[in-house]
Amino acid sequence: ETGVTQTPRHLVMGMTNKKSLKCEQHLGHNAMYWYKQSAKKPLELMFVYNFKEQTENNSVPSRFSPECPNSSHLFLHLHTLQPEDSALYLCASSQVDVRGIGAYEQYFGPGTRLTVT
Amino acid sequence: AQSVAQPEDQVNVAEGNPLTVKCTYSVSGNPYLFWYVQYPNRGLQFLLKYITGDNLVKGSYGFEAEFNKSQTSFHLKKPSALVSDSALYFCAVRDRLNDYKLSFGAGTTVTVRA
Repeated sequence: ETGVTQTPRHLVMGMTNKKSLKCEQHLGHNAMYWYKQSAKKPLELMFVYNFKEQTENNSVPSRFSPECPNSSHLFLHLHTLQPEDSALYLCASSQVDVRGIGAYEQYFGPGTRLTVT
Repeated sequence: AQSVAQPEDQVNVAEGNPLTVKCTYSVSGNPYLFWYVQYPNRGLQFLLKYITGDNLVKGSYGFEAEFNKSQTSFHLKKPSALVSDSALYFCAVRDRLNDYKLSFGAGTTVTVRA
C-alpha cells in the first residue's frame, strides 16, 4: 500500500487532547478525501479537496478540521473529540477532470483506527 | 440524491461455488458504479467499475459485475470462490454529471468456507 499512506495507524486519545492524522498520496492525483468508517454503516464522506475547491460536509462537527497544504498531503486535525468519534478514518485520492468530477476510481489508504477515551 | 443498497449483510459460500454479492442503486442521472473490497486492517481496494458500454465488466482477482439499468442493479460475481475472497465488499455509485461524491453501501461480509 505505497500509493496512499496514513499515519498513525492507531491512535488513542482523550477527549481533551489535540491530535492530527496525516495522509500522503504518491499517485499524482488531484483530489483527496477523508472518510469515516463505523461498523455496519456506509462510509461517510467527511471532506473533499480537489484542485478546484474544498468541499465540506455540513454535518461534520467543527471538532474535525481538515488541511490540504498541497495536492499530495492531507491532514485531519482533531480536538475535543467524543467517544462516538471512535472509528476508522480513511484517506483516499483520485483524479478528477476540470469540472471536479469524472469516472476515476478512488484509491484508499490503510486507515487510522481512532479510539477516543 | 444518490444512494446504494446492499441487501445482504453476509454471504456464505463454499470454496469452488459461485459467489454473488448484490447491489442496487439510485441516482437522478446516469451512474458510474464501483466495487471495492476491504480485507481486515486494510483500506478499500478497487475491484472494478462500470462507466459505459458493455454491461458485463471484468475486474481484478477474477471478479466481474453486471450492470442492469432496468433493475438499477450492479451485482458482483465470481464463478468459483476462494477462501482468500473472504472479506468485506462495498458497492459505490456516483452520478456522472451532477455530483463528484461517491456514495457507498453498508457493505457485505463474504465468508468462503473450505
